[in-house]
Amino acid sequence: EVQLVDSGGGLVQSGGSLRLSCAASGFTFNNFAMHWVRQAPGKGLEYISGISYDGHDTYYANSVKGRFTISRDNSKRMLYLQMGSLRADDMALYYCAKDQNGALDSWGQGTLVTVSS
Amino acid sequence: QSALTQPPSASGSPGQSVTISCTGTSSDVGGYNFVAWYQQHPGKAPKLMIYEVNKRPSGVPDRFSGSKSGNTASLTVSGLQAEDEADYYCSSYAGSNNFVFGSGTTVTV
Repeated sequence: EVQLVDSGGGLVQSGGSLRLSCAASGFTFNNFAMHWVRQAPGKGLEYISGISYDGHDTYYANSVKGRFTISRDNSKRMLYLQMGSLRADDMALYYCAKDQNGALDSWGQGTLVTVSS
Repeated sequence: QSALTQPPSASGSPGQSVTISCTGTSSDVGGYNFVAWYQQHPGKAPKLMIYEVNKRPSGVPDRFSGSKSGNTASLTVSGLQAEDEADYYCSSYAGSNNFVFGSGTTVTV
């Protein structure tokens, strides 16, 4: 069974940094692109970052470009999102998700990032 | 990348059908057959319901169907059931490991 477990969220001051992690199991991790999606309280889904199966290609939404860095460690079956220069509008539930045929077929449970001023 | 356009809400009685539209551009919906639909119940992670425009993952009822014409994709839920009441989001691949989501539609049964 595919399982994605998100962790690393918490309370951080505006301007601070945080690293999110996603532990994968139940599938051949190094065969699949992976992504991060966030959802602000009461709002819709926002795609923020993706990484190819081998880590060589990455993508960032304009809203996080230059502040967030996606990475993966295939030997540990881990996906990461390093977040910096955090601001109030980054406050959201962050999900990691697995890519299958151009869709996100498995999702983590989400980890909450709260930014205080 | 702008969000795909969905109606904020849709509704139907049990047993009826509801169709949700998702309008993008030739750079996303119109340019790729990688349109997906997700169902999200309150407090839960999204669940993939449709991928590649009209394919259903294992376990998704055949009451859910998808289609696309030009820059607009659609999700139809037939034979509405109480458990279908949820938020629905479309998404499209937009090139270079990039996806774009729709604004979301709340379906009321």
